[in-house]
Amino acid sequence: GAGVSQTPSNKVTEKGKYVELRCDPISGHTALYWYRQSLGQGPEFLIYFQGTGAADDSGLPNDRFFAVRPEGSVSTLKIQRTERGDSAVYLCASSPSGQGSLETQYFGPGTRLLVL
Amino acid sequence: AQKVTQAQTEISVVEKEDVTLDCVYETRDTTYYLFWYKQPPSGELVFLIRRNSFDEQNEISGRYSWNFQKSTSSFNFTITASQVVDSAVYFCALSVSRIAGNNRKLIWGLGTSLAVNP
Repeated sequence: GAGVSQTPSNKVTEKGKYVELRCDPISGHTALYWYRQSLGQGPEFLIYFQGTGAADDSGLPNDRFFAVRPEGSVSTLKIQRTERGDSAVYLCASSPSGQGSLETQYFGPGTRLLVL
Repeated sequence: AQKVTQAQTEISVVEKEDVTLDCVYETRDTTYYLFWYKQPPSGELVFLIRRNSFDEQNEISGRYSWNFQKSTSSFNFTITASQVVDSAVYFCALSVSRIAGNNRKLIWGLGTSLAVNP
């Protein structure tokens, strides 16, 4: 389809392992956002990309979290030395340009991460 | 600081009832946007509406309507003649426009879980 896609849909890993979560935005959207949602909570902002660069990474909880978007399209969220507290749904969203007036963000289905 | 409050954690109604979901926001910015998203059990956040701070006109879309009142900092959402398919968690969110910086993040309420029973 033409929406935001995320892979994998579910990821189970062991504490201490490294994981990568992928987001494929809507074609042509230059702005991309990562959020994290814990059970019973609203999404929590992690990082926002404008093109290839991270315009705002103030929501990344610590240096175990890192995200890239090397070609300005697909983005990968990387989590090192995972902890049980990292278990959540990781949501990706995109918007057309992120410039000027604020735009609607369109969300993907999320990746459910479980750290055992 | 910005904040969004959805005081209703859970609402349960019977099909065909009208239901209003409350949203109260806080911001010192004069230019901002308010959003409602629906999150059905499948988990994907579905955009419903966006409203900017300069447009206080109420909006109706089918069975959905929104009441934006700056005087009370509220942006309430009403579903008329609710249906079972309306069962979901509904989130209200706020985004502010900054001349300096690139802050484009959404500030979210905790959501209201709506159950529409047959």
